[in-house]
Amino acid sequence: GAGVSQSPSNKVTEKGKDVELRCDPISGHTALYWYRQSLGQGLEFLIYFQGNSAPDKSGLPSDRFSAERTGGSVSTLTIQRTQQEDSAVYLCASSLSQGGGEKLFFGSGTQLSVL
Amino acid sequence: SQQGEEDPQALSIQEGENATMNCSYKTSINNLQWYRQNSGRGLVHLILIRSNEREKHSGRLRVTLDTSKKSSSLLITASRAADTASYFCASRASNTGKLIFGQGTTLQVKP
Repeated sequence: GAGVSQSPSNKVTEKGKDVELRCDPISGHTALYWYRQSLGQGLEFLIYFQGNSAPDKSGLPSDRFSAERTGGSVSTLTIQRTQQEDSAVYLCASSLSQGGGEKLFFGSGTQLSVL
Repeated sequence: SQQGEEDPQALSIQEGENATMNCSYKTSINNLQWYRQNSGRGLVHLILIRSNEREKHSGRLRVTLDTSKKSSSLLITASRAADTASYFCASRASNTGKLIFGQGTTLQVKP
């Protein structure tokens, strides 16, 4: 596609439910990142995929959070048993590779609201 | 905290003035990048400076990097109302591929 696509753009859920957030990176981009941003705050790193290497999961805040990247393309971030503190904008970004085009291209994010 | 520090947190200037934002980071880096964010959604890449560079220009943007102080600054010259946004620095550590963002500076340029 022309850019990084995230869906849904907005998600309202009830506390305790599971949610799945989707990210379609730019075609050919081998690196994919997930970040979380609370209102008025900076970006909190969650997880990073690079090619076929094991993902860097060091930013995931708890075991309720997990992410997959299938076929080196689409990624899904799953939050189980959502809590109110999970409410935030979840941003996905992709880049060509670390060795060359290191700049990130961001999607528009998913606004998650946990009631 | 995994995040770098930026200051000021908020900056308000008149159109035509220069805006300077500062960023500090914690580890040795491969490069440092600056991004802009409008309306709290997707970020747009502005400029990248590598660890062996000290200064870089792009249009009205000037970025400096001081690796001995682990700090960087972004200067926007002759600011315009359209420059109103949040600006973030992001550092890529030498031993990892992940990009760590600072807390950001919110810039308001008054017409």
